[in-house]
Amino acid sequence: EAGVAQSPRYKIIEKRQSVAFWCNPISGHATLYWYQQILGQGPKLLIQFQNNGVVDDSQLPKDRFSAERLKGVDSTLKIQPAKLEDSAVYLCASSSPAGGNEQFFGPGTRLTVL
Amino acid sequence: GDSVTQMEGPVTLSEEAFLTINCTYTATGYPSLFWYVQYPGEGLQLLLKATKADDKGSNKGFEATYRKETTSFHLEKGSVQVSDSAVYFCALRRAGSYQLTFGKGTKLSVIP
Repeated sequence: EAGVAQSPRYKIIEKRQSVAFWCNPISGHATLYWYQQILGQGPKLLIQFQNNGVVDDSQLPKDRFSAERLKGVDSTLKIQPAKLEDSAVYLCASSSPAGGNEQFFGPGTRLTVL
Repeated sequence: GDSVTQMEGPVTLSEEAFLTINCTYTATGYPSLFWYVQYPGEGLQLLLKATKADDKGSNKGFEATYRKETTSFHLEKGSVQVSDSAVYFCALRRAGSYQLTFGKGTKLSVIP
């Protein structure tokens, strides 16, 4: 079974530029999560999707971050414009009730904002 | 709100040494508790979990017991190997929720 795929693995941009990250969850997983992991900290949930609907985006900085999951499968997370403090690893995870709602994580995208 | 506190690292041990990584939590109700491991360059992987008080989770020689009276879920391994070098995260999930709350992580380095 293929795991959660993310791309790109690394991205370096300058502040005020925009960037997008892509996630392909495990096949059949209806729930998808985006986390932000700042160096030295644990992952923090940004947004949770159930199919193509948003369940929780209370910790998403909506003035600059957006996310979508139009067809209930792949998802894109965008930052526009980026700030220095957005430098982090962005993790995508997916889960399914059939798997006890265990979250499976992708390798992450490491973003550096200069 | 919910929170997880785990011992700060980094932790450096010699091969075959005993490992303990402390984890305590604050949450309402009866959360499920987890340990995740992150190997260099990889995503987080579930190491073990416990869903109710006094449950013991175990995997790959690691163990942790859900202690409600001390709100703790300490990770232990009797004899670590170089391949156990990674960052370990304690996490909780409130009952009825899918969301995980993580600690800051503890980096373990095992030297031959």
